[in-house]
Amino acid sequence: KAGVTQTPRYLIKTRGQQVTLSCSPISGHRSVSWYQQTPGQGLQFLFEYFSETQRNKGNFPGRFSGRQFSNSRSEMNVSTLELGDSALYLCASSLGGALSTDTQYFGPGTRLTVL
Amino acid sequence: SQQGEEDPQALSIQEGENATMNCSYKTSINNLQWYRQNSGRGLVHLILIRSNEREKHSGRLRVTLDTSKKSSSLLITASRAADTASYFCATVRTDSWGKLQFGAGTQVVVTP
Repeated sequence: KAGVTQTPRYLIKTRGQQVTLSCSPISGHRSVSWYQQTPGQGLQFLFEYFSETQRNKGNFPGRFSGRQFSNSRSEMNVSTLELGDSALYLCASSLGGALSTDTQYFGPGTRLTVL
Repeated sequence: SQQGEEDPQALSIQEGENATMNCSYKTSINNLQWYRQNSGRGLVHLILIRSNEREKHSGRLRVTLDTSKKSSSLLITASRAADTASYFCATVRTDSWGKLQFGAGTQVVVTP
C-alpha cells in the first residue's frame, strides 16, 4: 500500500502571499490531520478532517484553513503569509475509527520557507 | 501548547547499549503513541499503548504506561546507529478526534 504523500515537498514564498499544500492519505483512510513543526513550538496540531468535515481544530489563526475532498485527499491553505509561518507542515492519515486504536501515519512533510 | 515533556532532551549512547526515554503528560488520555523522526523528515509510528495497558513490546522496543503518574517510558534495546533520530511521545485525549499532542522529543545519537 502506498504511504501518505504530500506535495510540494519544498516551497518558498514571500510575506503576504498565500499557499496551498496537498495531502493524499493512505488508501481506505478517511481521516486526515495536519501539524506544524517549528524549532520553537515543536509539533502542533492544526486541524483534522473526517469524511469531508472538520472534526477538530487547534489554536491557530483563521489564516490557516483546510478542506477534504470526497476521495479523502486534503488541502491546507495559509493566507497572508508571515515569517513565523516558516515550518515543516506534516499531514497524517488514519482510519478515523475507534479513538483507542486509531494510528496516524505521517507523510514526508512540506517544508515552507517564508521570506 | 504541548501536552507534556520528555526526558532527557538528548541522549548519546554507543551501539549495543540500551536507550531509555521518559514522557510525562498532563491530562487523562485515551492512548499514548511513540514516533521517530529522522532529520526533519516525516514521523514514523513505533508503537501505540492504550490507557488500560501497562506494557507493550514491539521488536527491540518496550513501552510502559503508568496512568496514575501520567508517564510513559520507551526502551530501545541493543541500539544501532540506525536508531539515531528524535523520538516523540504523543497522547490522544478521550474527547479529541485526530489530535495528537506531542512532547518536545528526545534526540538520540547512537555512535558506532
